[in-house]
Order: sequence, then structure tokens, then C-alpha cells
Amino acid sequence: EAGVTQFPSHSVIEKGQTVTLRCDPISGHDNLYWYRRVMGKEIKFLLHFVKESKQDESGMPNNRFLAERTGGTYSTLKVQPAELEDSGVYFCASSHLMGGKANEQFFGPGTRLTVL
Amino acid sequence: AQKITQTQPGMFVQEKEAVTLDCTYDTSDQSYGLFWYKQPSSGEMIFLIYQGSYDEQNATEGRYSLNFQKARKSANLVISASQLGDSAMYFCAMREDMYSGGGADGLTFGKGTHLIIQP
Repeated sequence: EAGVTQFPSHSVIEKGQTVTLRCDPISGHDNLYWYRRVMGKEIKFLLHFVKESKQDESGMPNNRFLAERTGGTYSTLKVQPAELEDSGVYFCASSHLMGGKANEQFFGPGTRLTVL
Repeated sequence: AQKITQTQPGMFVQEKEAVTLDCTYDTSDQSYGLFWYKQPSSGEMIFLIYQGSYDEQNATEGRYSLNFQKARKSANLVISASQLGDSAMYFCAMREDMYSGGGADGLTFGKGTHLIIQP
């Protein structure tokens, strides 16, 4: 079974540009999450999809961030326009809708975003 | 509000020794779950172990065990007989509302502990 994949692995852009990150969850996982780790700080929750619906987007920093999950499969996270403070590692995770006791989230390798 | 505290930014341990990684948490919820993840230098986050707030026994998974002290709100990870491959970042995380049939909310993470196993 393929794991969670993220593309690109690294992205370097200039302030003001637009970047789109992609996440492909594990097949059959209806829950999809985005997290971000800014250097030196905790990994922070951004938002949660159940299939194509946004269940919780309380962690989204501001309206420069737009997440979509059309068709309930892969998800994209667009940052427009990017600011310096958006630099960090963006993780995607997925899990089953009702996955047992722990219902652990399976993480992708992350996308390292650098805004210059 | 949920909060996870990991007080050890880094640890050096001799190979084959046991390791305890500290984690304390703060929540007003009665129903929650605690998780440990490992992040090796390759970057992926690997789920290690889970403890539910109502579980009476401490969780164990192979060489990993979770020392759950509910009254102290601590959930320390114990790695027995450490190996060189255990060198990695370790994150403690929590999720509330684990028993209502959902348990699918976002995780709250600590800052992590960088563990280095020395030969």
C-alpha cells in the first residue's frame, strides 16, 4: 500500500509569488489533514478534510492560504501571495474515517517551502 | 486549550541503554488520546504508539512503551535497548474527543526531542 505522498519535496519562491502544494493521501482514507512546522516551533494543525468537505479550518493562518480537495481524493494547498513567514515544512496526513482505537494519522514526507 | 510540553530539546544516549523521553500535556477534556511519532532524518513521520485517556494499562509496542501518569498529565515514551537507528526527532501529540465516535480531529504537537544514540 502506497503511503501519503507530497509534491514538491522542496520549493523556493520569492515573496509575493504563488505556490501550490499537493498531497495524495493513502487510498481509501477519507480524513486528510494539513500541518505546518515553522523552524524552531511546534508542528501546527492547519485544517482537516473529510472527503471533499472542510471539517475544521481553524488553524489556517489567514486568507492567503486556500486548501481544496476536489473529488475527495488529493488535496492542494495554495499560498497566494507568499510571505517570508510562510517558510516552513508543510505536512499532509491521512486516516480512515473510523479507523479503530487510535485511528492514527499517516504522514507524508512534507514539503519544505522557502520564501525569499 | 490543548498544550504539549517536551522539555528535552536534545538527548545523547549510549547504544543499548534505555531512554525516557518526557511529555506532559494540558487539557480540560476527559476523553483524549496521546501519540508518539518518530521523524528520522529522511523526514517522514512514523507513528509509534498510542495511549487513550481511559486505558488502564500502559501501552506497549515492541521496544516502545508509554509511561502514562494521568494524574500528573504525563505520557513519557520509553525505548528499551536503544539502537543506532533510533536516532531521530520524537514528537508527542494529543487529540481530544477520542471516544465520541469521531476521534478524527487535528493533533496538537510538542516541539520534539532530538535523540542521538551513540555507539
